[in-house]
Amino acid sequence: NAGVTQTPKFQVLKTGQSMTLQCAQDMNHEYMSWYRQDPGMGLRLIHYSVGAGITDQGEVPNGYNVSRSTTEDFPLRLLSAAPSQTSVYFCASSIGGASSYEQYFGPGTRLTVT
Amino acid sequence: DAKTTQPTSMDCAEGRAANLPCNHSTISGNEYVYWYRQIHSQGPQYIIHGLKNNETNEMASLIITEDRKSSTLILPHATLRDTAVYYCIVRAYDRGSTLGRLYFGRGTQLTVWP
Repeated sequence: NAGVTQTPKFQVLKTGQSMTLQCAQDMNHEYMSWYRQDPGMGLRLIHYSVGAGITDQGEVPNGYNVSRSTTEDFPLRLLSAAPSQTSVYFCASSIGGASSYEQYFGPGTRLTVT
Repeated sequence: DAKTTQPTSMDCAEGRAANLPCNHSTISGNEYVYWYRQIHSQGPQYIIHGLKNNETNEMASLIITEDRKSSTLILPHATLRDTAVYYCIVRAYDRGSTLGRLYFGRGTQLTVWP
């Protein structure tokens, strides 16, 4: 299994541009989440999904959209990039049910907005 | 979710046990204690979790006080590769939509020195 994969690894955007961060997992996990991590800070939850077609907001959802059309993929869209969205973005997945305590994280996407 | 308090940083000599404390005085009866760690620039990694009994796995041991208001993560023989930020998270387990929502604070920076 590849686990959780994220693309791209690095991205530079200009203010106002839009883009999609890709996240995929091949473990047939029900739950997927997006976090952002700013320098010296812990992770903050942006959006999460409990299955295909079902998404919900986390702590810091503004400026981001998500959709979950398949179990495997959970893309994160930046609608109009702002410098405040400069961060490292992590995608995570976990199985449902009684063993869903363990989240598997991807390697991250480092985004800079100028 | 109950709030957790962890020291900002700790040091440990290689080969010695690293004991990382966490206070969660407002923990509820149905809330679990989870520990994750994040090695520099990588995605967080699950370590262990528990409800009220002490737990041990191949990575660490988790000691939860009888009143459940605090816990300690123990790395029995710390190595240089254990240098990381360690996050203590308290979260209720439920089978519903909120399971994907793990809230990370700033954690404890553990530095293992030779």
